[in-house]
Amino acid sequence: DVKVTQSSRYLVKRTGEKVFLECVQDMDHENMFWYRQDPGLGLRLIYFSYDVKMKEKGDIPEGYSVSREKKERFSLILESASTNQTSMYLCASFPAGGSYEQYFGPGTRLTVT
Amino acid sequence: AQKVTQAQTEISVVEKEDVTLDCVYETRDTTYYLFWYKQPPSGELVFLIRRNSFDEQNEISGRYSWNFQKSTSSFNFTITASQVVDSAVYFCALSDNEGAYAGGTSYGKLTFGQGTILTVHP
Repeated sequence: DVKVTQSSRYLVKRTGEKVFLECVQDMDHENMFWYRQDPGLGLRLIYFSYDVKMKEKGDIPEGYSVSREKKERFSLILESASTNQTSMYLCASFPAGGSYEQYFGPGTRLTVT
Repeated sequence: AQKVTQAQTEISVVEKEDVTLDCVYETRDTTYYLFWYKQPPSGELVFLIRRNSFDEQNEISGRYSWNFQKSTSSFNFTITASQVVDSAVYFCALSDNEGAYAGGTSYGKLTFGQGTILTVHP
């Protein structure tokens, strides 16, 4: 079974803090994605990565950055957390050449106060 | 640009009722994939089905069935004889070549609908 894990299920941070959200997959997938989920908006793509050290912006990259130093790990960084970044963050992966079925982690619910 | 609309924000039914979740999509591509995901209270999205744009055959899997109609750009999901365990948020999603794109290759970005919250009461 594909396993995608995220470092925290719940996180509370203060405005202005630097926040790291970690995602690890154990199936050697090339492609990894970060989404945020907000009520009424569904899931929106923040960043994706198709290879180690490669990254591309998604639909809402402002205020975020990412890091992919190893194939299995994709980190989302909030450089200076703000209250409008309070959300559920979901990581997903799938293999190159696959049929785009993405495997999701359990999500991190981040609250910025 | 691609778009997915799930017009039903919330649906509430009583156990054993049949329920249909609507999904309408927009894309300029002729080749694309459609998906349904289930998100139970635990939070993790669970893949239910993938359908490619060239396969309009309807599919049935146990109590679940899907109706794909290109003529109306719809991909509806029906649960027959609903159960309490079906309570979840359901997302319809689209992946086409307008999605995550870099270096001349599409990387299968999913465009999600807003989600439908289904509550099944005992």
